[in-house]
Amino acid sequence: GAGVSQTPSNKVTEKGKYVELRCDPISGHTALYWYRQSLGQGPEFLIYFQGTGAADDSGLPNDRFFAVRPEGSVSTLKIQRTERGDSAVYLCASSLDGASDTQYFGPGTRLTVL
Amino acid sequence: GDSVTQMEGPVTLSEEAFLTINCTYTATGYPSLFWYVQYPGEGLQLLLKATKADDKGSNKGFEATYRKETTSFHLEKGSVQVSDSAVYFCALRRNSGNTPLVFGKGTRLSVIA
Repeated sequence: GAGVSQTPSNKVTEKGKYVELRCDPISGHTALYWYRQSLGQGPEFLIYFQGTGAADDSGLPNDRFFAVRPEGSVSTLKIQRTERGDSAVYLCASSLDGASDTQYFGPGTRLTVL
Repeated sequence: GDSVTQMEGPVTLSEEAFLTINCTYTATGYPSLFWYVQYPGEGLQLLLKATKADDKGSNKGFEATYRKETTSFHLEKGSVQVSDSAVYFCALRRNSGNTPLVFGKGTRLSVIA
């Protein structure tokens, strides 16, 4: 079956613009996670969804970042008024449920803010 | 808070050499421990995991043993291949509630023929 997919694979934007990053999890997976990976670092947690609701958004760096998952499947990470420091690879992962140990990662979206 | 420390890279080895990548962790309670691998141009993949003390995770010739007394989960392989060249990430996940993964910074391995 299909794995986790993310679009776009690359996004270049200008400082101050708004961007949306999309994640399509594995079918049937109820848990969805967003992570951010800066150059030379490991992924850092942003937000976790169980179904449609954000169960833990403690990793979101500030209120410019927001994510939704309205139907419990596809999720969109939204970044307002982008800053150069937002440049990173944004990773999405899904798991069967919140208790499941194994998270399956997508290929990521590389965001570059000029 | 929870954290993972792994050895800095890059690590360069000749084919068939023995590999060790050190990983230690700090966490409340007894987390599950993981090694993820990122091959060039690909997404993160789970390599192996261990969920309790003294468990050994193994896959593709790689092994790691959950050592509670030393809070470590070192990755080993007896004979590396060129195809093992990748970035390796150690990670933990607390077992209480639905919690995200906490990753180390990654160790880049290059294996030369």
